[in-house]
This record gives sequence, structure tokens and C-alpha cells, in this order.
Amino acid sequence: GNSVTQMEGPVTLSEEAFLTINCTYTATGYPSLFWYVQYPGEGLQLLLKATKADDKGSNKGFEATYRKETTSFHLEKGSVQVSDSAVYFCALSEESYGKLTFGQGTILTVHP
Amino acid sequence: GAGVSQSPSNKVTEKGKDVELRCDPISGHTALYWYRQSLGQGLEFLIYFQGNSAPDKSGLPSDRFSAERTGGSVSTLTIQRTQQEDSAVYLCASSRGGPGNTIYFGEGSWLTVV
Repeated sequence: GNSVTQMEGPVTLSEEAFLTINCTYTATGYPSLFWYVQYPGEGLQLLLKATKADDKGSNKGFEATYRKETTSFHLEKGSVQVSDSAVYFCALSEESYGKLTFGQGTILTVHP
Repeated sequence: GAGVSQSPSNKVTEKGKDVELRCDPISGHTALYWYRQSLGQGLEFLIYFQGNSAPDKSGLPSDRFSAERTGGSVSTLTIQRTQQEDSAVYLCASSRGGPGNTIYFGEGSWLTVV
């Protein structure tokens, strides 16, 4: 079946540091890929998505590129802020089916 | 409203009692999902409704769990004879259906079984 594996956390960084959260997936066909974010005390929000190979999703300074050859969708940000502290979830939806399969989530804490 | 609405936001119930959790999806969204978020367990898929098709119930953890969607809109998740391991945040989400469409989540219903 489909699965998503995220790098283990938690991740702790200083403000303005570079962020990478690794995400790899296993799926048949051509899934769509997503990053969701959950800020403290809030619901899940879509951060960015990519629907086909080599697409780059971007939002709020975050980027992720759909790499089919390595089955990866790593999340990056060049300079993190304290306000980026949250839990980040990588997810995929199957090619012909909208259900989301999530990774286990990565807790990010950014210190001033 | 503009977003997915869930109620109650918090529910404390005694072990063995039944609970109902309600979800109002975004207007016009044909797909509706229930997920469960437990501490240390990540996000677990429960059930998926798409239009008039038979729901995908493959994620329901036991026969104590059931869900309905009336008129293609509002959904109710029912947990019978609650157990302490049912304590979690139950998240509802909706989308226009189909792959690639953004799935929007509600704030969740926090269930505590004592």
C-alpha cells in the first residue's frame, strides 16, 4: 500500500537557520504530494502541494520539489522564523483517489 | 461558514457511553473525510465519502465506529461503547473530490474518555 516516511524529529533550530525536513513516499502511479502544517492550538493547514513530477510547490518561503526518481518531496526554507514553530506533515493522495496518506509528522521548534 | 465546521470542540465522556461527533463540510465539496490524531500515533485515516459512492470504511478501527453522511453534506461519526484508547482528536476534512484537490481540515473534536 501507499506510505509516507518523514525524517524523525523533533527538529530544533535557531532563527534564520536553513531548514530541511525529508519526506519520501511509496505509491503506485503518480500521486499528488502535499505538506500540511499544524501551528500550536490550531488545525491542519495546507502549506504547499505539487501534483506532478518536477513540480515545485512554494508558500511562505517554504519550497518542495516533487522528485519521482527519488520518490521524495523534501521541505526546505532558507531562513526560519520563530513563528514557523509547528508540526509539519508530508502527505500523498493517490493518482485516482483523493484520500490522503500522512507521514508521522515532524515537530519544528525555532529559538530566537 | 467558509471552513469545515466540527462540533463539539471538546467532549469528555465516561467509558462505555456512546458519542456523536458532527462535521459540516465546505459548501459544494463532494468529498468528506474523517481522520483521528492521537498522541504518538500521527494522523490515522478512518473513513472517506465521495458523492453518492459507497464510503471507504477501510480505516475504521472496530465495529464500534460508524459514520453517516446525510444529503451529501453533514456527517456524523458515532463511537459506541467508548474505550479509553478512543481518546484522541477527531478531524473532519472536505474537498472538491479527486486527486490533487486541496483537502481542508476542521479544527477537530477533542474526545476524552474517562
